[in-house]
Amino acid sequence: NAGVTQTPKFQVLKTGQSMTLQCAQDMNHEYMSWYRQDPGMGLRLIHYSVGAGITDQGEVPNGYNVSRSTTEDFPLRLLSAAPSQTSVYFCASSYGQAYNEQFFGPGTRLTVL
Amino acid sequence: AQSVTQLDSQVPVFEEAPVELRCNYSSSVSVYLFWYVQYPNQGLQLLLKYLSGSTLVKGINGFEAEFNKSQTSFHLRKPSVHISDTAEYFCAVSGKSNYQLIWGAGTKLIIKP
Repeated sequence: NAGVTQTPKFQVLKTGQSMTLQCAQDMNHEYMSWYRQDPGMGLRLIHYSVGAGITDQGEVPNGYNVSRSTTEDFPLRLLSAAPSQTSVYFCASSYGQAYNEQFFGPGTRLTVL
Repeated sequence: AQSVTQLDSQVPVFEEAPVELRCNYSSSVSVYLFWYVQYPNQGLQLLLKYLSGSTLVKGINGFEAEFNKSQTSFHLRKPSVHISDTAEYFCAVSGKSNYQLIWGAGTKLIIKP
């Protein structure tokens, strides 16, 4: 099993550009989520999905869109990049219940100039 | 709603010395509690979790944590640290009826030779 994979690992964007961060998992997990990690702030939930076709907003959803057309894939779209979106982005997946371990991808380091 | 406070942003400790990383939470409902570890330039992985039962929970790599309901704490301990324990440690809480984890800001464990 590859686990949770994310692409790209690094990305530099100019303000106003759009892009999609890719996330895939091969563990047949129902639950998938996107976090951003900023120094001193821990992880903040952007969007999450409890199954194919179902998504919901987390703590910091503004400026991001998601979709979940398959169980495996959960892409995160930045609509119009802003410097405030410079961060490290992590995708995670788990079986649905709250007590289950979340498995994390290696992260995408995004810089917006 | 839940919240998590990690009381120390950095903890320096000499190799082979004991360490305690502190975590306090607030919640109006019963919770699950987690500690995750993030090694440099990697994603997060689960160290241990408390779901119910014994308040002393043992995890990987010799770490353990104790759930104290009266003090709303879940401190992480290791009796003797090694240089390979250098990482950032995150405490997280989840309500028993939802999927989302609420994260602390993290504590960097710095091992001095």
